[in-house]
Parts: sequence; structure tokens; C-alpha cells
Amino acid sequence: QSVLTQPPSASGTPGQRVTISCSGSSSNIGSDTVNWYQHLPGTAPKLLIYRNHQRPSGVPDRFSGSKSGTSASLAISGLQSEDEADYYCAAWDDSLNGHVFGTGTKVTVL
Amino acid sequence: QVTLRESGPALVKPTQTLTLTCTFSGFSLSTSSMCVNWVRQPPGKALEWLALIYWDDDKYYSTSLKTRLTISKDTSKNQVVLTMTNMDPVDTATYYCARSYSGGSGYGMDVWGQGTTVTVSS
Repeated sequence: QSVLTQPPSASGTPGQRVTISCSGSSSNIGSDTVNWYQHLPGTAPKLLIYRNHQRPSGVPDRFSGSKSGTSASLAISGLQSEDEADYYCAAWDDSLNGHVFGTGTKVTVL
Repeated sequence: QVTLRESGPALVKPTQTLTLTCTFSGFSLSTSSMCVNWVRQPPGKALEWLALIYWDDDKYYSTSLKTRLTISKDTSKNQVVLTMTNMDPVDTATYYCARSYSGGSGYGMDVWGQGTTVTVSS
């Protein structure tokens, strides 16, 4: 069971901005950085954001991340059809002594 | 170029032990702070982290699965092996291995294998 809570779905029209929240606790988001992954069915998950707001090489700057206290968020600006995917937040949990993933958010481009 | 590839049986029977191998290239698991993770995704469900092994052989396991999991590495072969005992149909999932480095959340799992699908059924 996931200890990081995300909304199950989010949607927007092309060009819009979509924000996904990730709620955790003091033992995970509150004490470590947050990473975000994009996952298209049938493919390998892709690292989208690391250390709260850093983008790996090749990730468009339309994707941005932030963290405050025990919550984090991922924003997708200028939404495109290829952004339709599942998005997961993740962090290390000091109490569980392991990584934890969020519940996942399915983004739909209308 | 960093690559990882998972291999193992596509079908296992309930109560059997699953053995999965992650074969990687483009990096060394003897490099300081390097590690390999195992993550799975049951059909229609979220990603679930299972285990990781560090360059220095330090190991961490999912609390809920700890009693059933064993992770090991063969640095000379560039392989990481995950075994899961007492398999159950609820363990049906796509299993991924992924590289990461640095402790904690670190820099994220930056390279993933394509995954291998395991079905548990009699």
C-alpha cells in the first residue's frame, strides 16, 4: 500500500497547465527529496524530476516540481497529447527504511 | 550507454520461488554510492518498490515483503538477482529493475529496464 497520496486523475486541454499533488509525512517527503516518474503503459517508467525540482537531461522545461513541508507537486505547462500517461511521486521513507511510491495519477489530454 | 534488462520465468505456480535476474551494462555496481532497485507493478495498480542493493552490499527491503525477498549481486557478471518465496497470484505483476545512486531519494531511479511480466497461476 502506498504511503504517498496522489489524486487518481487529472486532465486538461492541449496548452493548459495541469498540477498533480503528492501528500506524504514527516518520515518521507518531510525529511527527504521527492522524485517524479512518468509511466506509459507497456514501457519503462521514466525519471521526470529528481531532488524536488531538478530535470534530467532531455526532459522538457514544461515539467516542473516543487516541495513544501510534507507535500510536493508536479506541474505540466503547455500540455501536449504525448503527456498522457501515469505519473508517480516517490521518496525515501526513514521509518520504513525504503523507497515509497505515490498512488499514481493518470493524466488525460482532452 | 546505461542499460538494464530483466529476465526470469513468465509463469510460476503458487508457493513456488521466483528468481529474477537484472543484467546491466554501462555502469559498475562496485562504484561508490551506486545501487540497483527492484520495482513491480501489478495489473491496474501503482508502482511498488521491492528492494535495493548498494555497491557495498548494503541491502534494503520493502517492509511488507521483507520475509519473502532476498537481493544479491554478482559484480563480476554485472547482475543483480531477486528471489521471492511463496509466490501467490497477487504477486502477478511486471517486475522492473532500475539504477539509482546516492542514499535516500538520491538522484532518483534514472535508468530502468523494460520489465518482465510474471504471472502466478496453477
